[in-house]
Amino acid sequence: GEDVEQSLFLSVREGDSSVINCTYTDSSSTYLYWYKQEPGAGLQLLTYIFSNMDMKQDQRLTVLLNKKDKHLSLRIADTQTGDSAIYFCAESRTDSWGKLQFGAGTQVVVTP
Amino acid sequence: DADVTQTPRNRITKTGKRIMLECSQTKGHDRMYWYRQDPGLGLRLIYYSFDVKDINKGEISDGYSVSRQAQAKFSLSLESAIPNQTALYFCATSDLHGDGRNTGELFFGEGSRLTVL
Repeated sequence: GEDVEQSLFLSVREGDSSVINCTYTDSSSTYLYWYKQEPGAGLQLLTYIFSNMDMKQDQRLTVLLNKKDKHLSLRIADTQTGDSAIYFCAESRTDSWGKLQFGAGTQVVVTP
Repeated sequence: DADVTQTPRNRITKTGKRIMLECSQTKGHDRMYWYRQDPGLGLRLIYYSFDVKDINKGEISDGYSVSRQAQAKFSLSLESAIPNQTALYFCATSDLHGDGRNTGELFFGEGSRLTVL
């Protein structure tokens, strides 16, 4: 999805924090999502944030939304080997409800 | 059993062959989608259906067709497969009014890997 951009790769040591960044272009986005894809599996929703929020925390996950810069980030605290996966940022727009626009995905590799 | 089931999971075919990928769901959702995933490109929407009588093209519908046989079934066809249709295909569902969250979350199948030689 050309309108949602992410870096393609992130390497992190086990126990460190991971930060995955995403930029989007549509200011009318209502929900922004982080999906996780493990090898050989489909995508599963990890977390989401509504566009009127700045931050959302869910256990080890922290989502930050900067609407001015159209920047979304996902922080994973105390990264574990099970966090190795591809993480997709996605947006849902008011003019196309239900049709998510996905980024290219960030491959996260956790090393011991 | 998976809520969203795709068949086949893997398929190798030759250029020019007709291929059908099938998707069935037990979530009771009205909305169904077909996406393709290519490395470095993420997921791109091929077709979507908001109910049984509604079919819409996505951003990359050329070379594909779909059929919504029932609320629970949505199939994707490649009438004459070509090598650049080699990809991982995902079916997904959503329910605007599901579970009260109304977040537009998509629920994905496990994917169908198609290789066109």
